[in-house]
Parts: sequence; C-alpha cells; structure tokens
Amino acid sequence: DAKTTQPPSMDCAEGRAANLPCNHSTISGNEYVYWYRQIHSQGPQYIIHGLKNNETNEMASLIITEDRKSSTLILPHATLRDTAVYYCIVRVPYEQTSGSRLTFGEGTQLTVNP
Amino acid sequence: EAGVAQSPRYKIIEKRQSVAFWCNPISGHATLYWYQQILGQGPKLLIQFQNNGVVDDSQLPKDRFSAERLKGVDSTLKIQPAKLEDSAVYLCASSPRGTSTEAFFGQGTRLTVV
Repeated sequence: DAKTTQPPSMDCAEGRAANLPCNHSTISGNEYVYWYRQIHSQGPQYIIHGLKNNETNEMASLIITEDRKSSTLILPHATLRDTAVYYCIVRVPYEQTSGSRLTFGEGTQLTVNP
Repeated sequence: EAGVAQSPRYKIIEKRQSVAFWCNPISGHATLYWYQQILGQGPKLLIQFQNNGVVDDSQLPKDRFSAERLKGVDSTLKIQPAKLEDSAVYLCASSPRGTSTEAFFGQGTRLTVV
C-alpha cells in the first residue's frame, strides 16, 4: 500500500487560507488521493479526491504535483469550525474486486485560531 | 438523504463480556466498512463487505471479533469476549460500488471495557 506522510499539527488564523501538505511518494498510477476530516467526536467526513488534475469543490481545493508524489489541501478561508484532524489517504484498488481499501494514517490536527 | 445509522451510541461492559454493534448503511450502497478508532489514532479498517461478501478482513482479530452483513444491507459487529484494549470508537461507513467514490461515516459507537 502507498503510504502518506503528514505533519502532526498545524495552526491557521481564522479567515486565512489553510494549506495542508501530504507526501505520497510511492503512489501508483491508478491510485487516487483522498482527503477526509474528522471533527471531534464525529465520524470522518469526505472532503475531496483526485487522480492527476487539480480539483475544487465547495469545501476545498486539491493540488496534486505533476509527478503525483505530493499534494496540498487548501481551505481558502478557514473558520473555527474547520478545526479538525485532516487525513490524506491514497486509495488502494483491490486487484480482484471493484472495491478499494480506505486506509487512514495519523492525520494532521488543524487548529484554526480566532 | 439519511446517513449511516449506528447503535448503540455508547456502551460500557466488563472484560470477558460480549457486545454487538449494529450498522444500517445508506440505501443502495454496496460497500460497507467497519473501523476501530483508538483514542488519539486514525481509524483502522477491521472488515470490508461488498454486498454481503467479505472482501477484506485481514485486520480483524478473528479469535474474538466477528461481523456479518445479512442480505447485503445491515451489518453487525460482535466482540466475544471483550478485552480492555478493545476500548475504542467503532465506526461504520458505506459507499457506492466503485473506486472513485466517497465513503460516508456514521457517528460511531464508543465502547468502554472495564
């Protein structure tokens, strides 16, 4: 399985952009990069995913480097409610089924300060 | 759209007792996951179902943990007998069939073994 490396913690000022990095240097060509977040006492919540191209939705933007060995999740205007643990996951496709494993690491604790 | 439902929300048992958790996934979702999340760690996949078949149970401690998904819908996870180190939040998630799809998580069941 491709592994990911994230900083254990980051701080961000409210209203500023939060840029969360992730390294996945052993990613394979058919593996997707997913981002989830987990607010305290809740289940993880999907944010965004991508394969090669940069992606944007109403929650965030995902920037994937050309060699796909790293990515950055961008929260353009962080609010206090964005304080959470953010997980970068490389989704491993099963070889013999259409299912794929969703393996979580330790994530980055993002704290948005007023 | 109703989310992933889990029950109970909290459970306290003594070691060596048995316990069962229930999960009702989002209607029509083929894939169902059970995760164990120990305090301060990321979720760890215990078992993954595709419809009512198991596609990955490599990290399930089969001497004490069991899971089933009857008729490819609801699922139960059982621990018998429980140990102190089983204290954790047990998360259920579901997703539509396919690789590039998000998983939706329930609120989890917090188990305390005393």
